[in-house]
Amino acid sequence: DIVMTQSPDSLAVSLGERATINCKPSQSVLSSTNNRNYLAWYQQKPGQPPSLLIYWASTRESGVPDRFSGGGSGTDFTLTISSLQAEDVAVYYCQQYYSAPMTFGQGTRLEIK
Amino acid sequence: EVQMVESGGGLVRPGGSLRLSCTASGFTVSSNYMGWVRQAPGKGLEWLSVSSTGDYTYYADSVKGRFTISRDNSRRTVYYQMSSLKTEDTAVYYCVRVRAYGSESFWFDYWGQGTLVTVSS
Repeated sequence: DIVMTQSPDSLAVSLGERATINCKPSQSVLSSTNNRNYLAWYQQKPGQPPSLLIYWASTRESGVPDRFSGGGSGTDFTLTISSLQAEDVAVYYCQQYYSAPMTFGQGTRLEIK
Repeated sequence: EVQMVESGGGLVRPGGSLRLSCTASGFTVSSNYMGWVRQAPGKGLEWLSVSSTGDYTYYADSVKGRFTISRDNSRRTVYYQMSSLKTEDTAVYYCVRVRAYGSESFWFDYWGQGTLVTVSS
């Protein structure tokens, strides 16, 4: 199984500042066939189910604000929130879909400083 | 509006069985892969199962042979039959709409609110 490791486990950022979350799969999730990275990011606000933010490592889901961006390739990925808003307080998860079983990172808790 | 509503959760003894239901609206269930993901209390997410638009089903090793995913497209409902339940199966179970690519690449674009399953004596 591909192990997904996120860092940090928790993060406190001031409103309007940039927040960066890292995700490191234990093996590459970049396909040599289609040159795509099989990685998604989710946001889980308190008391709510997760919601999809980004897939193919950098494609924003419809309706997701453009302050959210995904980057990276292979075994190193980032989720960046360019200007933190109060409503962004949540736990963020990465997920690989390169090979079964689909696996998630342990989550990164984002708070306001 | 896309919506999935889970039901059927509750308290069950170890070794017991439970069937979850997920009724969808706002999209055509028959045209979509559907699945289940769980989250143990205070923990992260674990993918469990997917039902394809054909007759294919996919399972994580942790539930293979114990849990069965099925669907009734006419009722817009996905079912999750869970048997031989263990205390470690205690979790919120989310019904998810699945985006699929290739044979076994799944990510999850809509999530229900979840239903809590507690396995305890």
